[in-house]
Amino acid sequence: DTAVSQTPKYLVTQMGNDKSIKCEQNLGHDTMYWYKQDSKKFLKIMFSYNNKELIINETVPNRFSPKSPDKAHLNLHINSLELGDSAVYFCASSQGGSSYEQYFGPGTRLTVT
Amino acid sequence: RKEVEQDPGPFNVPEGATVAFNCTYSNSASQSFFWYRQDCRKEPKLLMSVYSSGNEDGRFTAQLNRASQYISLLIRDSKLSDSATYLCVVGKYNNNDMRFGAGTRLTVKP
Repeated sequence: DTAVSQTPKYLVTQMGNDKSIKCEQNLGHDTMYWYKQDSKKFLKIMFSYNNKELIINETVPNRFSPKSPDKAHLNLHINSLELGDSAVYFCASSQGGSSYEQYFGPGTRLTVT
Repeated sequence: RKEVEQDPGPFNVPEGATVAFNCTYSNSASQSFFWYRQDCRKEPKLLMSVYSSGNEDGRFTAQLNRASQYISLLIRDSKLSDSATYLCVVGKYNNNDMRFGAGTRLTVKP
């Protein structure tokens, strides 16, 4: 059983397009996250949701919009994709906040051409 | 100054060696500390939590010095399978905010 799943695993698209990445967790966790890992491998938090409520919204362009239809899902929609958006995007979940282990999805490798 | 800073690495060590990684954090309000491991092209996975009293899990020992805002990870008797990037992670108590270091790459060679 996959604990945290993401789709798609790879995404290649052109500049200016709009795309979505889906994330689902079956761990019963109430907190979910989106992270971006750039080419230098630096993992940076983008958003955090707790019980469908947005808790953290880092300095991320408003072209990025997270949506949490329920506790088990946190999707990421990106409008007007730019070259600099190319990265690996990881979804994660935890039971509670920062005191708890985070379980990561396998990542979505986004390439913008 | 970055919120979480780690040894830049890479570390290349022979099997059986002992290797130590260091990490410093800037926010004195931080309350939770972890080491994660990330294999190439894979997701990060928790290696161990770090407690004030220090903790050990087999060949791995983690230490925390709150006064110096410093975290360490010691790996004894390195195995080939220990080759990975080790991420220092710091969080604020009861808060969803987690900050990752840039990671230190370890390669264990035969």
